[in-house]
Amino acid sequence: QKEVEQNSGPLSVPEGAIASLNCTYSDRVSQSFFWYRQYSGKSPELIMSIYSNGDKEDGRFTAQLNKASQYVSLLIRDSQPSDSATYLCAVIRGKLIFGQGTTLQVKP
Amino acid sequence: ETGVTQTPRHLVMGMTNKKSLKCEQHLGHNAMYWYKQSAKKPLELMFVYSLEERVENNSVPSRFSPECPNSSHLFLHLHTLQPEDSALYLCASSPLGGGEGEKLFFGSGTQLSVL
Repeated sequence: QKEVEQNSGPLSVPEGAIASLNCTYSDRVSQSFFWYRQYSGKSPELIMSIYSNGDKEDGRFTAQLNKASQYVSLLIRDSQPSDSATYLCAVIRGKLIFGQGTTLQVKP
Repeated sequence: ETGVTQTPRHLVMGMTNKKSLKCEQHLGHNAMYWYKQSAKKPLELMFVYSLEERVENNSVPSRFSPECPNSSHLFLHLHTLQPEDSALYLCASSPLGGGEGEKLFFGSGTQLSVL
């Protein structure tokens, strides 16, 4: 079982819709969770971090964490074509472990 | 432009060449990292330096040799590479020392092709 698992996609949503990106992790003791965005040909950049169960909102982005289900998600409201990128889920387990990323395509 | 700069941006080398990748961070951070990103694979941690001491060597082949002369600079020396080493090599830094909850700041990467 992969330590951090994401569906590679691509996930295609129309402009203005909600994009839902999901991530599961294998180690129950993980405490810190991150979402990075990586545009094609660019380096990853941190967009959200979440440490406790529940929702954390930042503008159009909402991170959701459910430790009992070992599940973390990222919701992007009012998706824009500029949100088209690969979204990497990362979990701390002694060190930062990345998933392979989900490619999001927002179509005008 | 981020506070972490990497050179060169692109590198093509033969299997018998020796080359070095350079990373410099302007953020005053204490930890620096090398990651490898291959197509369709997760980012793989290669090395971690905290306060110029290597704290992680993630079973990386000896043909990759890191060097951290000070907290602002990190090098990755390459020799006798294989074609499967072709990938994007990313440098990152973090503020405190690589502990739990640390957020990483990435450079733009070096796209390496080994012929």
